[in-house]
Amino acid sequence: EVQLVESGGGLVKPGGSLRLSCAASGFTFSSYSMNWVRQAPGKGLEWVSSISSSSSYIYYADSVKGRFTISRDNAKNSLYLQMNSLRAEDTAVYYCARVRVGDGSCYFDYWGQGTLVTVSS
Amino acid sequence: SYVLTQPPSVSVAPGKTARITCGGNNIGSKSVHWYQQKPGQAPVLVIYYDSDRPSGIPERFSGSNSGNTATLTISRVEAGDEADYYCQVWDSSSDHSYVFGTGTKVTVL
Repeated sequence: EVQLVESGGGLVKPGGSLRLSCAASGFTFSSYSMNWVRQAPGKGLEWVSSISSSSSYIYYADSVKGRFTISRDNAKNSLYLQMNSLRAEDTAVYYCARVRVGDGSCYFDYWGQGTLVTVSS
Repeated sequence: SYVLTQPPSVSVAPGKTARITCGGNNIGSKSVHWYQQKPGQAPVLVIYYDSDRPSGIPERFSGSNSGNTATLTISRVEAGDEADYYCQVWDSSSDHSYVFGTGTKVTVL
């Protein structure tokens, strides 16, 4: 059974940092691209960042570029998101999601339960 | 960047058919994926590549995509279908970004 379990969320002051983790199990982690997607309270889904299976390709949404860093450790079956210079607008539930790549498109076939990040003074 | 527009809400009586639209410029040339999200839960994939259903998703869920509109159709709606629904495309031309629609709240009357 595929499982994705996020951790590391919490309350942080504006300008602070936080590192999220996502522990994967039930599949060959090193064979899949992984992503972070967030959802602000009462709002819709927003893609944050993507990393390919071997970390060769990394992409970010403009809203987090230069502040967030995605990484992975295939030996530990883990995905990470280092978040620096946090702002109030980064407050959201952060989900890690597995990507399926196919015929000219990509989608998320499994999601974790999410971890809440609150940026407030 | 690419924009996907959904109606904020759709209301439907039990047993009837709900249709949720997702509008985008020439969206028919892209593959559209759909997610269901119930309150306090993570999104769940219900349709991929316009009309394919993952295992475990009822046949009542179907999808289509043409022109400037993609549609998720839920037939014989049940109370358990009440949720938010999001469409999504992958925009290879814009830093390989994933674009989500604005979301539609489906209410079962």
